[in-house]
Amino acid sequence: QVQLVQSGAEVKKPGSSVKVSCKASRGTFRDYSFNWVRQAPGQGLEWMGGIIPLFGTVKYAQKFQGRVTITADESPTTAYMELSSLRSDDTAIYYCAGVEGITIFGSFDYWGLGTLVTVSS
Amino acid sequence: DIVMTQSPDSLAVSLGERATINCKSSQSVLYISNNKNYLGWYQQKPGQPPKLLIYWASIRESGVPDRFSGSGSETDFTLTISSLQAEDVAVYYCQQYSDTPITFGQGTRLEIK
Repeated sequence: QVQLVQSGAEVKKPGSSVKVSCKASRGTFRDYSFNWVRQAPGQGLEWMGGIIPLFGTVKYAQKFQGRVTITADESPTTAYMELSSLRSDDTAIYYCAGVEGITIFGSFDYWGLGTLVTVSS
Repeated sequence: DIVMTQSPDSLAVSLGERATINCKSSQSVLYISNNKNYLGWYQQKPGQPPKLLIYWASIRESGVPDRFSGSGSETDFTLTISSLQAEDVAVYYCQQYSDTPITFGQGTRLEIK
């Protein structure tokens, strides 16, 4: 069972950027794809985008296009999500979710514990 | 975008009784080429990340109790808990992963009656 270890909570000012990391406890670049899902306080789950590290293929939700950048490093296997031009309504828990195999189109088999990002002046 | 609509929004069931949650997609999530429904079910307890229960609409994830089952095809799906246990209190989400943007239902809150 792989664990996804996310970076710690962040407090950001409106207009700034945040970068959250997600490191897989085992496996290689070839074993997973990674998605980012956020959850605002008391709200549901919202997919932001995903990456297949082996191919460098990235897909973004239209809502976040132009504001979000998802990348990955091979060693160690780590995915990143950077969100820019932060607003107060970006305050949420940001989850990394792993799909086993080289496809974004799979169930989210593994989840990180989440990273709370608070946007406040 | 594929819209996922769950019903009901909340549900109260007695311990040991059956709980049924429905999920409807705005378009089919069945891929004819491999005859798979790209539909998953997740359980989220307070303060925890979601946990995968069911994938390909009806395959139980390893370690998930067999009281959980998924059924349905194309646009209509159901998650059934055959005999509700106290530890099943949670919010349940369906998800389609057949196309981007990947989308989730709004969630169904399950409580004990």
